[in-house]
Amino acid sequence: DAGITQSPRHKVTETGTPVTLRCHQTENHRYMYWYRQDPGHGLRLIHYSYGVKDTDKGEVSDGYSVSRSKTEDFLLTLESATSSQTSVYFCAIRGTGYEQYFGPGTRLTVT
Amino acid sequence: GESVGLHLPTLSVQEGDNSIINCAYSNSASDYFIWYKQESGKGPQFIIDIRSNMDKRQGQRVTVLLNKTVKHLSLQIAATQPGDSAVYFCAENYGNSGGSNYKLTFGKGTLLTVNP
Repeated sequence: DAGITQSPRHKVTETGTPVTLRCHQTENHRYMYWYRQDPGHGLRLIHYSYGVKDTDKGEVSDGYSVSRSKTEDFLLTLESATSSQTSVYFCAIRGTGYEQYFGPGTRLTVT
Repeated sequence: GESVGLHLPTLSVQEGDNSIINCAYSNSASDYFIWYKQESGKGPQFIIDIRSNMDKRQGQRVTVLLNKTVKHLSLQIAATQPGDSAVYFCAENYGNSGGSNYKLTFGKGTLLTVNP
């Protein structure tokens, strides 16, 4: 599992509330990614990080922000959750080449 | 929530048969490809990768074939087992090098069901 954990694993929240998901890795990887996975779509990149305090947007970044204050943690924040953000969120790290390894996911439901 | 396996192409095989899962990729400049396996309720799991300077690569019970002419990738699983039941999807890298460009683009996947 490449030493990746995600928390929480499941969360139900109400529309308009802020939500923060955490990704933690133990192997000092430089690159980290946040994806969402929805039926009918492939994994879609939300944001990624290429180092501490270095982040960039992916293809579906609207409504999301990220922070990386230390190598091992990459946080994804939904500033004001909406029902369209109900999804399964995966964190990933880049290995030694272009490959990525994924965490177990967080299932988020916005009611 | 709704399973990611719904709305996907499906392949149903008998245990012991060989399986072939296909993927059409989008960018002729892509130079690196990966196959992932995703079991229900779990994160995607790396299976095998291939670079564009290769046509074929073999792993344990799996073989990936790359046809750059028609931008097609396939995953062959030999002697398919019930534990192989999962969604399989491909990913491609556009060949950007260095900097902040280690990004992958993912296909939607195929649901493989292995019947005992």
